[in-house]
Amino acid sequence: SAVISQKPSRDICQRGTSLTIQCQVDSQVTMMFWYRQQPGQSLTLIATANQGSEATYESGFVIDKFPISRPNLTFSTLTVSNMSPEDSSIYLCSVSLQQGRAEAFFGQGTRLTVV
Amino acid sequence: DAKTTQPPSMDCAEGRAANLPCNHSTISGNEYVYWYRQIHSQGPQYIIHGLKNNETNEMASLIITEDRKSSTLILPHATLRDTAVYYCIVIGSYNTDKLIFGTGTRLQVFP
Repeated sequence: SAVISQKPSRDICQRGTSLTIQCQVDSQVTMMFWYRQQPGQSLTLIATANQGSEATYESGFVIDKFPISRPNLTFSTLTVSNMSPEDSSIYLCSVSLQQGRAEAFFGQGTRLTVV
Repeated sequence: DAKTTQPPSMDCAEGRAANLPCNHSTISGNEYVYWYRQIHSQGPQYIIHGLKNNETNEMASLIITEDRKSSTLILPHATLRDTAVYYCIVIGSYNTDKLIFGTGTRLQVFP
């Protein structure tokens, strides 16, 4: 298994500002992902965080809005840039311990409110 | 990956078996069926997965029909703590673990 720590757990931000969310894993992992869960909705995959290279974004998500870093095999950050109220969501980090196996572990999420 | 269809909500009495269905009629031969659940205010939690044989672990059982077009997640003795949204996800082993979540089934366990 893997223990995932996300910081901050929640935040209230002003529109137009940016927030960086951190994801720390207690072991080296191959695959790391970032998801968004809008109020009352299911999870939507934002991107795959690739170690040592640019993240792979899903349709509808762009690097300028959601820049992602992954400097090593245990840490990643997601920045929500130039925020608007529509960005109010829970953002979740997820990891998979073994490529090709979809038994993923999730952080507790960061609850973001943009005012 | 194949699309899945689940009922939006279900109720179950505490102590009884909860049987959650999932339709995946377009599943292909190398695609697995995974189940996750999300308890309120928590991240999703892996439950179980299978290819074509029935599977059982400490949390649940997974029954996959012979034609693999549908499956059922069984919680044998539901408790109040099993109240959650349950997601059935079909994923190919080639898809490098990207989980695409549908709308899931909201299971309410009542006393």
